[in-house]
Amino acid sequence: AQSVTQLGSHVSVSEGALVLLRCNYSSSVPPYLFWYVQYPNQGLQLLLKYTTGATLVKGINGFEAEFKKSETSFHLTKPSAHMSDAAEYFCAVSVESSASKIIFGSGTRLSIRP
Amino acid sequence: DTEVTQTPKHLVMGMTNKKSLKCEQHMGHRAMYWYKQKAKKPPELMFVYSYEKLSINESVPSRFSPECPNSSLLNLHLHALQPEDSALYLCASSQVENLEGQGAGGELFFGEGSRLTVL
Repeated sequence: AQSVTQLGSHVSVSEGALVLLRCNYSSSVPPYLFWYVQYPNQGLQLLLKYTTGATLVKGINGFEAEFKKSETSFHLTKPSAHMSDAAEYFCAVSVESSASKIIFGSGTRLSIRP
Repeated sequence: DTEVTQTPKHLVMGMTNKKSLKCEQHMGHRAMYWYKQKAKKPPELMFVYSYEKLSINESVPSRFSPECPNSSLLNLHLHALQPEDSALYLCASSQVENLEGQGAGGELFFGEGSRLTVL
């Protein structure tokens, strides 16, 4: 069965520092992978997605992620953190064999220090 | 502004009440979802509708009853809930890749959620 594991429930970085949020996946078939962000008291918003093709995926708000099959990873990065990036981030995988079933990881809360 | 609208934003109900959560989208998406999210937890899939037909039920208790009256609307009827059902209920929609209803493979558009408290 497909699944994702997010390493670190809480990450804290200084404003302007590199952001790295880790996600590893488990899948017996080529997965579709996603990163979603959730701001307090809001729904989730897609940051970026990997389906096929280029393994480096660029998303909104300066975020990007690289699909590494050999490491079964899909880590999220941003070169320079902004205060507005403070939120909960979820890695997710799509189970293509089943209609529209998207499974979320446990989430990583990102805090930004001034 | 979100293109998926959920009402009400907040709902408080007793264990004997009957209430409904409503969700509406006008993006032409033919897949619609209900997720349940407890505090500091990820969303958990409850139901998926594809072309107005229930395609996935994640073994949700029968006190939750979904309904998809048309391609734009999704309801979640609530009856005899328990305090542990208190959570944020998120509606989402997406395109459907093929007529078999498989593989959204794509973006879920979420509403802001309905926060339910069961007393």
